[in-house]
Amino acid sequence: DAGVTQSPTHLIKTRGQQVTLRCSPKSGHDTVSWYQQALGQGPQFIFQYYEEEERQRGNFPDRFSGHQFPNYSSELNVNALLLGDSALYLCASSPMWGAQGFEKLFFGSGTQLSVL
Amino acid sequence: AQKVTQAQTEISVVEKEDVTLDCVYETRDTTYYLFWYKQPPSGELVFLIRRNSFDEQNEISGRYSWNFQKSTSSFNFTITASQVVDSAVYFCALSEKGSMNNNDMRFGAGTRLTVKP
Repeated sequence: DAGVTQSPTHLIKTRGQQVTLRCSPKSGHDTVSWYQQALGQGPQFIFQYYEEEERQRGNFPDRFSGHQFPNYSSELNVNALLLGDSALYLCASSPMWGAQGFEKLFFGSGTQLSVL
Repeated sequence: AQKVTQAQTEISVVEKEDVTLDCVYETRDTTYYLFWYKQPPSGELVFLIRRNSFDEQNEISGRYSWNFQKSTSSFNFTITASQVVDSAVYFCALSEKGSMNNNDMRFGAGTRLTVKP
């Protein structure tokens, strides 16, 4: 049973460019969330997707957008990249309705984005 | 607003020592969930434990134990007889109650644990 998979593992971009990161959730999970983890810090919530719609959003600008596909996989898009966007981007999945209420999140290994 | 504080940035111990990682949280909700995750060098966050706000029972799982005290808003994590493989960054996280599964988890800054042989 594959866990959460993300691609690519590493990416180098220059300021002003656009980037797309991809995530496949764990089998049986229908909810995907994205987190940004800057060096030496804890992950920060970007947004959550369920039923192909953005359901919750953290404190991130509109340059950050996403998409969820019918097979539950998801993309994170970042436009007009800034140096400060350099970080590890983590994807997490969970079932929307768990037997015990809030379900734990399963995380992928992340995509390391470097903006030069 | 929810907030998680892990005051210990880095801890270094020698193998077989016990170590406690501190976590203090802030929330206005009466229903919330607390988590601990481990992040090895590979980057993937590994789930360790989840606790809801109504369950203050301490928990032990092998060499790991957790002390949840609502009176002091703390959820501390102890590793007994530490091993080199325990070396990682450990994160405490908080999730407040919502109308649907709330994946907006607030993470602390993490504690980097190094266990030396």
